[in-house]
Amino acid sequence: SYVLTQPPSVSVAPGKTARITCGGNNIGSKNVHWYQQKPGQAPVVVIYYDSDRPSGIPERVSGSNSGNTATLTISRVEAGDEADYYCQVWDSSSEHVVFGGGTKLTVL
Amino acid sequence: VQLVDSGGGLVQPGGSLRLSCAASEFSFSTYIMNWVRQAPGKGLEWVSYISTDSNTIYYADSVKGRFTISRDNAKNSLYLQMNSLRDEDTAVYYCARWQGGHFDYWGQGTLVTVSS
Repeated sequence: SYVLTQPPSVSVAPGKTARITCGGNNIGSKNVHWYQQKPGQAPVVVIYYDSDRPSGIPERVSGSNSGNTATLTISRVEAGDEADYYCQVWDSSSEHVVFGGGTKLTVL
Repeated sequence: VQLVDSGGGLVQPGGSLRLSCAASEFSFSTYIMNWVRQAPGKGLEWVSYISTDSNTIYYADSVKGRFTISRDNAKNSLYLQMNSLRDEDTAVYYCARWQGGHFDYWGQGTLVTVSS
């Protein structure tokens, strides 16, 4: 089955740029979606189709996808960005939704 | 868009439980729906998918043969019948609306605890 690999944690100072990676075999050929989840809340999509932003998500949140790695980039990080982030794809070969293990973003 | 999950609770191993998701403020019958769960302190795990007409259904390997997803478009409701429950099924269960490969709206979740 298809596997998505994320770093367990990323730490960044306020105002700096956070990059969260999502690795998968030839993930560049798939559509990658990213979710933010704060404690006690349901997940919220922040990037879909690799790099599209839903309304209400600031422009400093962006995504890219190529080769074996997709990346969620958060520029000018704020305290309110502290959360868990998950990548997700649809694996057509297994007909399964696949989530990455999640990355805890800590704002120092 | 509103999705309200319900039906969670405490159940013994081997027991059964039926979760519900009440949808409103959108045309429920035209959207594919899913269940996603999250064990305490763990990541997200997809559980099941159901097409608009219920003709296409998928399950995660971990629940196949034990869980059954269904929907009632007339009642704007999604269901998950969970049988032969195990300790490892303990989780918050979310219903989520499918939009072209991703989940654009989620319910608030309902907690299922499997314990003796």
